[in-house]
Amino acid sequence: DAKTTQPTSMDCAEGRAANLPCNHSTISGNEYVYWYRQIHSQGPQYIIHGLKNNETNEMASLIITEDRKSSTLILPHATLRDTAVYYCIVYHFGNEKLTFGTGTRLTIIP
Amino acid sequence: NAGVTQTPKFRILKIGQSMTLQCTQDMNHNYMYWYRQDPGMGLKLIYYSVGAGITDKGEVPNGYNVSRSTTEDFPLRLELAAPSQTSVYFCASSHGQGVNYGYTFGSGTRLTVV
Repeated sequence: DAKTTQPTSMDCAEGRAANLPCNHSTISGNEYVYWYRQIHSQGPQYIIHGLKNNETNEMASLIITEDRKSSTLILPHATLRDTAVYYCIVYHFGNEKLTFGTGTRLTIIP
Repeated sequence: NAGVTQTPKFRILKIGQSMTLQCTQDMNHNYMYWYRQDPGMGLKLIYYSVGAGITDKGEVPNGYNVSRSTTEDFPLRLELAAPSQTSVYFCASSHGQGVNYGYTFGSGTRLTVV
């Protein structure tokens, strides 16, 4: 699976949109971008995934650049409960396992 | 529908002791996984299984064993506990390849080896 690069930490004001970047410049055509988050010491939680089109669900939006070398996870109206570590993962269907990096620690500021 | 259930939530072991971390899921998922997470680090895959009777090593399998006799259960065995195995252990499951629902994780087992 392709390697991802994320900032170590970010802050965002409560109520504002949180934009979390991820670089995956070596992604191949059949690899998906997945986002998970881990709140405090809980098990990671699936957020969203995409291949090449932008995606939106009840939790977040995922914007993937046209060349697929990077993506941005958007939490539209961040709340204090969104404080967590966010993991961007490139995943190849056919490879049975997810590989986690160290993620971005997002802190929502009141 | 409980999802993925892990027991125990906490455990302290002495060096050389053995224990089994239990994991069960009620979603009829084919794929199950064990990860460990050391403080301040991401998750590392220990073992995984793509179905009953089939297991395979992940990134850090040394010191662990697994079995998968049923679809629901995927226990992780530590035979001779070492301080390096102090970690938080997460079990996860997924429907399998080609299904876009992601992984479901349990709430973790915090293990300390002293």
